[in-house]
This record gives sequence, C-alpha cells and structure tokens, in this order.
Amino acid sequence: KNEVEQSPQNLTAQEGEFITINCSYSVGISALHWLQQHPGGGIVSLFMLSSGKKKHGRLIATINIQEKHSSLHITASHPRDSAVYICAVRSGGGADGLTFGKGTHLIIQP
Amino acid sequence: NAGVMQNPRHLVRRRGQEARLRCSPMKGHSHVYWYRQLPEEGLKFMVYLQKENIIDESGMPKERFSAEFPKEGPSILRIQQVVRGDSAAYFCASSGTQNTEAFFGQGTRLTVV
Repeated sequence: KNEVEQSPQNLTAQEGEFITINCSYSVGISALHWLQQHPGGGIVSLFMLSSGKKKHGRLIATINIQEKHSSLHITASHPRDSAVYICAVRSGGGADGLTFGKGTHLIIQP
Repeated sequence: NAGVMQNPRHLVRRRGQEARLRCSPMKGHSHVYWYRQLPEEGLKFMVYLQKENIIDESGMPKERFSAEFPKEGPSILRIQQVVRGDSAAYFCASSGTQNTEAFFGQGTRLTVV
C-alpha cells in the first residue's frame, strides 16, 4: 500500500511569493496527480505526471521517479491561489484508485 | 462537453434512511471512481467501476455500502441505513481509460442527522 506524505501541512505566504509544496510516496507509481480544492468546493485536477516536469500558467509540477518525490510550485502567488493542494498517486499496477496525501492548506495574504 | 456531474450537491438524511448519490461521468468516459472525504480527513478511495462491472471495491465498507455503474445511466453509490459517521463529502471521478487523467465532480455533501 502506498503511503503519501505532503509537506508542509499549512503554509501562509505573502502575495507574490514563490511557493513550493512537496510530496513523497513510498512505492512505485504509474502516475502522480496534483489537485486543488477550495473550501467547501469541488476538486480540480491541476496536473498528471509520470516523469519530468509540466507547466501551466503560474503552476509548475516536477517529479523525480528515482527519489519518489514531486513538487508543486506556484510563481507570483495571488490570494486566489489560497486553497488545499492535494498530491495523489496511482500505484504501478494501475488497477486501483488514487491514494491521497492529507493536503497542504495554502493561504496567500494580500 | 459537460464535466463530471454529481447530484445532489447536498443531501440530508435521518439516521436509518437510505442515501443515493449519483455520478454522470464525462462524455466518452467509461471508468468511474468514488472517493470519500470525512471531515478534517483526507480523501480515501472507495470503489472503481467500469460499465456494468465493479473492478475494485477494496475501499468500500463491508456493510450498507454498494455501488453500480449500469450500461445506461449514471453510476450510483448507495448507502443503506445511514449513521452519523457516514456524514462526509463523496466525490466521483471519471477517466477515459485506466491510466489517463481523472476528472472530478463537485461532490455530494451528505449530512446525517
């Protein structure tokens, strides 16, 4: 069973700061997802990664398969980025659902 | 192309009643996953279905919970004889194939009173 650890659990930063959220997992995977959830809201899929790096707007996600580690970066952070960011992995067999980290609560202050 | 649609968005049930949660996957998607998010906890996998088949139900509680994804119509998560501990947000996700990106619905927030 895969264990997914995220850090930090909580992060408060000022508008404009560069944000990094980390995710580590214990067992080989077929894919890693970064998700965003606003309070009381739905879940939005930001990225799905199996190797390398992806960029979408101000968001960048990287993964190191050998290290079993991924990072989500937010450049020029904005208060509207305030949300819970969740890392989730699908194990190598691919036949089951996602295993989730507990999430990182991000608050960007103006 | 509508996204994953879940209904109702909010559902209140008294203890002992039945709850039925519906999920219509994105058009063309035949893989459906159900997840539960308990208050102040992370998301947990419940069940993975393809049309007319349950592929993996290892995350489903052994009693009172069932899921189906019929040939026609939405996927249904059914909770019989609900208890207060069933109060949670239930999310559905769909994907086109097993290893492609999954898209999530807005969730159904179940409150048992």
